[in-house]
Parts: sequence; C-alpha cells; structure tokens
Amino acid sequence: EPEVTQTPSHQVTQMGQEVILRCVPISNHLYFYWYRQILGQKVEFLVSFYNNEISEKSEIFDDQFSVERPDGSNFTLKIRSTKLEDSAMYFCASSERDYQSYEQYFGPGTRLTVT
Amino acid sequence: LAKTTQPISMDSYEGQEVNITCSHNNIATNDYITWYQQFPSQGPRFIIQGYKTKVTNEVASLFIPADRKSSTLSLPRVSLSDTAVYYCLVGPLGNKLTFGGGTRVLVKP
Repeated sequence: EPEVTQTPSHQVTQMGQEVILRCVPISNHLYFYWYRQILGQKVEFLVSFYNNEISEKSEIFDDQFSVERPDGSNFTLKIRSTKLEDSAMYFCASSERDYQSYEQYFGPGTRLTVT
Repeated sequence: LAKTTQPISMDSYEGQEVNITCSHNNIATNDYITWYQQFPSQGPRFIIQGYKTKVTNEVASLFIPADRKSSTLSLPRVSLSDTAVYYCLVGPLGNKLTFGGGTRVLVKP
C-alpha cells in the first residue's frame, strides 16, 4: 500500500535556527498538507498546497513558515527561525481530493524539538 | 465548521463492541462526517466517512440518524491494538481537517 514518508523522524535544533522538514507524498496525489501536534494537544492544520501554490493557511502559518515542492516528489516545510513553541510533531498529508472523499493520508511525522 | 462533542475517554475489553457517539448539532447541509484514528506518535488514519444512514467498511460502521445531529462510530470486536484516539470530524469535502480533542479508547485484556 502506498504511504506518505517523512524525514527526519526526529529533529533537534536550537532556537533561532532554520529547519526543513521533508515529506514524500503518495505519488498520484495532488493535494498536500502540513499539520502539527504539540505534545498532548490537538492536531492543528497549518497549510494546504495545490498546483504549486498555497491554497489555504492557518493563523499559525506566519511569515516564519514556508512550503515548497522543489521537484516532482518532495514537499517541504521550512521554519526560518525556530522558537521554543515550535516544538511539536509535524505531520505531512496528501490526498487525491476527488471531492468524493475526505480521506487524507498522513505520514509518520517528524518530531521537532527546539532547545 | 460544525462543532463536535465526543467523550474524552472510553474503556473496553477485548472482543467487545465499542460505540463512540459524536454530537454535531449545527451540521450544515454540505457537511460530511468522517472519523480518524490516531495511535501514539503516529499520524491520524482515516477510518470511515458518511453523509447519512449507515456506512460499513472492513474496519468499522458509521451510523447517522435522519437529523444528522449526531453520529456513532462502531468498532466490532476490538483488540488491544485498537487502543487509540478516535476523532470525529464534520465539514465539507475536499477541505482542511479540523481535529477536536478526540476520544481516547483503551482496550483492556
């Protein structure tokens, strides 16, 4: 069964550093998402991406965040200057989004620890 | 988006049926009801989706009454590996997912 993959599984960084989280969505999917989950809290939507542009973003997704699909397979989330409160699990998801299903496929996540 | 309310936690035993009810009183006409499952330190996983009446797949059943103001996810004969958090989501198709707190289901031996 095809799956979404994410690297690294765990990233430790110092406050103020830039991090790039990588995702490989399912190959025939066209819609891509990033979510995050702070330990013990809800899964929160960050951004959705389609046709090489952001289609929707949340208030969490401020100027410190950016997304990119640099090639035909990868989808990245960059945090320019990390803050302690960015520590969370970051999940990438993808979907075919044929308007017949709400099904998004999530990756295993990257645990980001900002010290 | 419709606000959802579901129990914080439920305990069950192996082999039992687990039913989790979600309330969504202000569901809109174009909203669908979707359930996701999340194991610790993993991403959520789609379980089932429906609009009205009953939907069944190999994993679960979803019961939606005529007024659509609530829905019940039914997990038949649970095993220890079904211990997870179950989320009820309500919204239009093809949209971002908005997760609530979910229901933490603990299956005991």
